Amino acid sequence: AQKITQTQPGMFVQEKEAVTLDCTYDTSDQSYGLFWYKQPSSGEMIFLIYQGSYDEQNATEGRYSLNFQKARKSANLVISASQLGDSAMYFCAPLGTGFQKLVFGTGTRLLVSP
Amino acid sequence: DVKVTQSSRYLVKRTGEKVFLECVQDMDHENMFWYRQDPGLGLRLIYFSYDVKMKEKGDIPEGYSVSREKKERFSLILESASTNQTSMYLCASSHPQEFYGYTFGSGTRLTVV
Repeated sequence: AQKITQTQPGMFVQEKEAVTLDCTYDTSDQSYGLFWYKQPSSGEMIFLIYQGSYDEQNATEGRYSLNFQKARKSANLVISASQLGDSAMYFCAPLGTGFQKLVFGTGTRLLVSP
Repeated sequence: DVKVTQSSRYLVKRTGEKVFLECVQDMDHENMFWYRQDPGLGLRLIYFSYDVKMKEKGDIPEGYSVSREKKERFSLILESASTNQTSMYLCASSHPQEFYGYTFGSGTRLTVV
């Protein structure tokens, strides 16, 4: 089974600072995708950003960007200029082998303080 | 606005009861999924379905079954609820040819007492 590691159970950052959330994964697939989701306290899962393994550029979506290092099998999420509304759980999810199954990491809880 | 709707936000059931968790999507997606979420364990796949009446076991199917009689509806069934099935349950759907990740429901927090 695919293994996903999010080593930071909790992270703290001050408003307006940047923060990096780590994700490493273990896959033998050459072609795969990586998703990051945000889960606020309300519970819904919100898609943030996607990286394809063959994409030449690191993915960016507004204040979110990925530091994708394919050889190291890591896809760290960088949030620039943190806002209070960024306080949430964040999940890394590589696309599993075979049928479109997303395999989720254990998540990192981010707390943004004023 | 497209969405995945889970019928209950909170449920409290007794041990031994048969429990139905319902999920409906309005996006005409073929693929539907049930996950459970527990602190420290992330989301774990229980069952998924890629078509009407088709189902596949995920990583933790024991104690659960599913039903997909219509494309838009995917039901998770706890045949005899137990306290260790107290959890947050998340339903999701996706399109097989235009895969942009999942669309999730808002979750059902189930407590078995």
